[in-house]
Amino acid sequence: QSALTQPASMSGSPGQSITISCTGTYSDVGAHNYVSWYQQHPGKVPKLIIFDVNNRPSGVSNRFSGSKSGNTASLTISGLQAEDEADYYCASYIIRPPSWVFGGGTKLTVL
Amino acid sequence: QMHLQESGPRLVKPSETLALTCTVSGASISSDDWTWVRQPPGKGLEYIATAFMTGAIDYNPSLKSRVTVSLDESKSHFSLQLTSVTAADTAVYYCVRYRQRGFDYWGQGTLVTVSS
Repeated sequence: QSALTQPASMSGSPGQSITISCTGTYSDVGAHNYVSWYQQHPGKVPKLIIFDVNNRPSGVSNRFSGSKSGNTASLTISGLQAEDEADYYCASYIIRPPSWVFGGGTKLTVL
Repeated sequence: QMHLQESGPRLVKPSETLALTCTVSGASISSDDWTWVRQPPGKGLEYIATAFMTGAIDYNPSLKSRVTVSLDESKSHFSLQLTSVTAADTAVYYCVRYRQRGFDYWGQGTLVTVSS
């Protein structure tokens, strides 16, 4: 079970949009729409921001959106704000054997 | 308001068994599915296992041979045992609710260090 591949770091300026990729295989990301994304500020607990590829839990800003194409899922943050500076993790269900796998995480810096 | 509290020894010796308990309050443990996730210091998240209300359990295949998870509805406890620990098992261990194919509610986590 290998971790999903995410860029280690990304940066953007306030107001810009940024897209974080999450690449897996036909056994995980490519097999279904069970991909979720988590935001983790330093020293804090991870927070679910996207589930089922492109659904936002109640209370999550609509500046966060998700998509998927083939074996790669993506998280887009529009209108970057200073508070978006955090680590972001993707996660995907694996059908066989049933399990979950996380991405290695992306450290987002807002310049 | 639901609250998840992880508890257990913070220091475990190599080759011994790590044992943690998650106490669920403000919600019925029998109404949801529950997951353990860990995070080594300065590193990313790692899935450990999910216990479903149906009785089924999903495991991280790389940890399955060493992991036992269980639900105790009478005590509202969700437990983790990890055997034969090494320094690589040093991590913050999180108790997490699994709902709608997402890990939507996280405990504060507890740092467990493996060291002699």
